[in-house]
Amino acid sequence: QVLVMQSGAEVKKPGASVKVSCKASGNTFTSYYMHWVRQAPGQGLEWMGIIDPSRGNTGYAQKFQGRVTVTRDTSTSTVYLELSSLRSEDTAVYYCAREGRDTNYFDLWGQGTPVTVSS
Amino acid sequence: EIVLTQSPGTLSLSPGERATLSCRASQSVNSRSLVWYQQKPGQPPRLLIHGASSRATGIPDRFSGGGSGTDFTLTISRLEPEDFAVYYCQQYDTSPRGYTFGQGTKLEIK
Repeated sequence: QVLVMQSGAEVKKPGASVKVSCKASGNTFTSYYMHWVRQAPGQGLEWMGIIDPSRGNTGYAQKFQGRVTVTRDTSTSTVYLELSSLRSEDTAVYYCAREGRDTNYFDLWGQGTPVTVSS
Repeated sequence: EIVLTQSPGTLSLSPGERATLSCRASQSVNSRSLVWYQQKPGQPPRLLIHGASSRATGIPDRFSGGGSGTDFTLTISRLEPEDFAVYYCQQYDTSPRGYTFGQGTKLEIK
């Protein structure tokens, strides 16, 4: 059974950066796209970005352009989300999610990583 | 950018009843890219329906999706206690590339 396991909770000060990881089990890491989706407390879901682990190509939501970077390490089947210039509104649970190539839906989600931005 | 509006915001029903959730798009959506998820407190979302009407693996047949163009529905034929959760619709847009979600419908026990 394929799983995606995320790193633990983070607490950051405004203006800092955070880097969250998502490790996929199994040997199909480069066969899927990986996404990052966040959810602020009591709010809905918000897509942030995508990476094709086989090529490293990325795409980001316009809202986060210039502040977000998604990377991958194929040797460890891990994708990373880095978000800079943090503000209180970035307090949320950050999920990684898998998409089968060009299926346009997320069939497997990580457990979520809570990030709190507070002075 | 296509905006998805879900209604109602909250739906109060009893186990055994039928639930109909709506997702309306601000412009026509390719049915292939319309998706429904279920989310329970403290858990990540779970894929229910893709391509507007195809159930994901392991999803009971009391869940069904339909619609086209700008109007889509998720129907739960007979509510089970475990179905009370928040439901989100989602679509994929090519220009600009992005994935957008509705604001969610909370299905609560009456």
